[in-house]
Amino acid sequence: KAGVTQTPRYLIKTRGQQVTLSCSPISGHRSVSWYQQTPGQGLQFLFEYFSETQRNKGNFPGRFSGRQFSNSRSEMNVSTLELGDSALYLCASSLGPGLASYNEQFFGPGTRLTVL
Amino acid sequence: QKEVEQNSGPLSVPEGAIASLNCTYSDRVSQSFFWYRQYSGKSPELIMSIYSNGDKEDGRFTAQLNKASQYVSLLIRDSQPSDSATYLCAVRPPRRSNSGYALNFGKGTSLLVTP
Repeated sequence: KAGVTQTPRYLIKTRGQQVTLSCSPISGHRSVSWYQQTPGQGLQFLFEYFSETQRNKGNFPGRFSGRQFSNSRSEMNVSTLELGDSALYLCASSLGPGLASYNEQFFGPGTRLTVL
Repeated sequence: QKEVEQNSGPLSVPEGAIASLNCTYSDRVSQSFFWYRQYSGKSPELIMSIYSNGDKEDGRFTAQLNKASQYVSLLIRDSQPSDSATYLCAVRPPRRSNSGYALNFGKGTSLLVTP
């Protein structure tokens, strides 16, 4: 079974630009969560999607947004990039609520975003 | 108070020894607990999940949960140099109305296994 895929793997952008990251979950998984990882803050939750609906959102500004499609693939968007947005953005795939008691999350390889 | 706390390390153990990694959490009614391993430059890999008090063993790994003390640990027996990585503890807060399944992560403990 293929794992979680994320594209692109690396991105270099400049301040003020916007970026869209993509995630395809494990086949059969319907829930996608996004996390930001930085050396200083560690792994921080961004948002979670299930059945095309955002179910949970972390404490990030409105410049960070996301969506999920009917095939469970998800995208996240960051507008008006700031230097502090440089991070590893991780997508995690899980079966989804009601489909597994404990809903383990499996991470993709991540997208390394550098903002200059 | 941070929700999930881990000693950042580095924790250095000789090859063949037992490595003990610890994690405490603040939300007393948390239900699910996970250990991830992250190699430098890679994404986190799920290695253990535990939901009930006590021990859960999987190969060389044992997870231990004590909900009364709000403490979860990971033991790695017969440590190998290939176990050198950062180990992340993750806690799922209790589900509340219309909430999802977000995980709260500790900042990780760096483990170094020396030959």
